[in-house]
Amino acid sequence: DSGVTQTPKHLITATGQRVTLRCSPRSGDLSVYWYQQSLDQGLQFLIHYYNGEERAKGNILERFSAQQFPDLHSELNLSSLELGDSALYFCASSAGQGARGYGYTFGSGTRLTVV
Amino acid sequence: AQTVTQSQPEMSVQEAETVTLSCTYDTSENNYYLFWYKQPPSRQMILVIRQEAYKQQNATENRFSVNFQKAAKSFSLKISDSQLGDTAMYFCAFMKPRWDDDMRFGAGTRLTVKP
Repeated sequence: DSGVTQTPKHLITATGQRVTLRCSPRSGDLSVYWYQQSLDQGLQFLIHYYNGEERAKGNILERFSAQQFPDLHSELNLSSLELGDSALYFCASSAGQGARGYGYTFGSGTRLTVV
Repeated sequence: AQTVTQSQPEMSVQEAETVTLSCTYDTSENNYYLFWYKQPPSRQMILVIRQEAYKQQNATENRFSVNFQKAAKSFSLKISDSQLGDTAMYFCAFMKPRWDDDMRFGAGTRLTVKP
């Protein structure tokens, strides 16, 4: 157990629907990062939150949004889903500025299948 | 923008032998961090080893070691005494010291350890 909790582990939904993925960071970590991994591909950075504030955006579609709550858990909202959104979505956390060199701790991911 | 290139999509090695996975990156930064992550069939992202650019000494973690060539912008991973459990996707990753910058990943190398 990495300490980063993602729910649900698996999600199957229809095109056009909206889903919410949830992430609880490792205890003490203030930064949360969301990544998308399409089938057998690398990880694409979506968005980064630090202590409730958005810090950086990557290749995140306008149909996708995220937020980080006061208790530091984060949610990634995906709407108007398309078949191409099927992927593994990872959440990762880190302590923040002083811990850059230690990398991220990843959750086990949410497997999203759009049918 | 920083890019990370892994030129070997797939590799295989016999159990107990040594294998080296290649990674090159492009950056104008002088200080940064480099990582190798392992993704076994379970899909969990596991940190294998990390290197700080300002440290000339190559990092080592048990059977895993790196060959960091800063001038050549090369960061290869050597796995000694390969074990069946080393079968996984291996991702090279780059991160700047800026604390609100994200980690960039290569496309990955699929390593198969054969008995």
